[in-house]
Amino acid sequence: QKEVEQDPGPLSVPEGAIVSLNCTYSNSAFQYFMWYRQYSRKGPELLMYTYSSGNKEDGRFTAQVDKSSKYISLFIRDSQPSDSATYLCAMNYDMRFGAGTRLTVKP
Amino acid sequence: DAGVTQSPTHLIKTRGQQVTLRCSPKSGHDTVSWYQQALGQGPQFIFQYYEEEERQRGNFPDRFSGHQFPNYSSELNVNALLLGDSALYLCASSFSSGPYEQYFGPGTRLTVT
Repeated sequence: QKEVEQDPGPLSVPEGAIVSLNCTYSNSAFQYFMWYRQYSRKGPELLMYTYSSGNKEDGRFTAQVDKSSKYISLFIRDSQPSDSATYLCAMNYDMRFGAGTRLTVKP
Repeated sequence: DAGVTQSPTHLIKTRGQQVTLRCSPKSGHDTVSWYQQALGQGPQFIFQYYEEEERQRGNFPDRFSGHQFPNYSSELNVNALLLGDSALYLCASSFSSGPYEQYFGPGTRLTVT
């Protein structure tokens, strides 16, 4: 079992849809949770950063952490074609990454 | 404010050769981490440097080594290249006080033939 599991997709939604991206993990010691966005042939870009359980909101993005279930989510409201990218979850000090979910938002 | 920069952008090497990749951190950042990203995969942590010392290392062989300079810039060296070393190599920088907020450079795409 991988330490961090992420559904690779691909995920395709119409413009304006609410997108839900998820990761599960196995190590209960993880405390820090990050979401990155990566456009094709570019480096990952930090979107959200949360510590422990709870919710964090930043504009159209909401990150949720449920440590009891070892499950984290990223919600994107009012999705735009410019949101089309690969979304990566990452955890803890040495940044254990998921494999990434490819998202396409169609106009 | 310049972000993280990496050089070169692309590199083609032959099996058995050695390669050096370079990274300049975001202004003010003192910690540099290196990652290997294979096609279709998430980045894999190689190691992290702070105060010119390797602070933490992932599951990579000794063929992968690094260095951090007094100005916080860093190099990644890979010896005895294998075909499987072909990947995007990413550098990320952060403050030592907030190592989880890492900012990535555009990467160096290494192809080993």
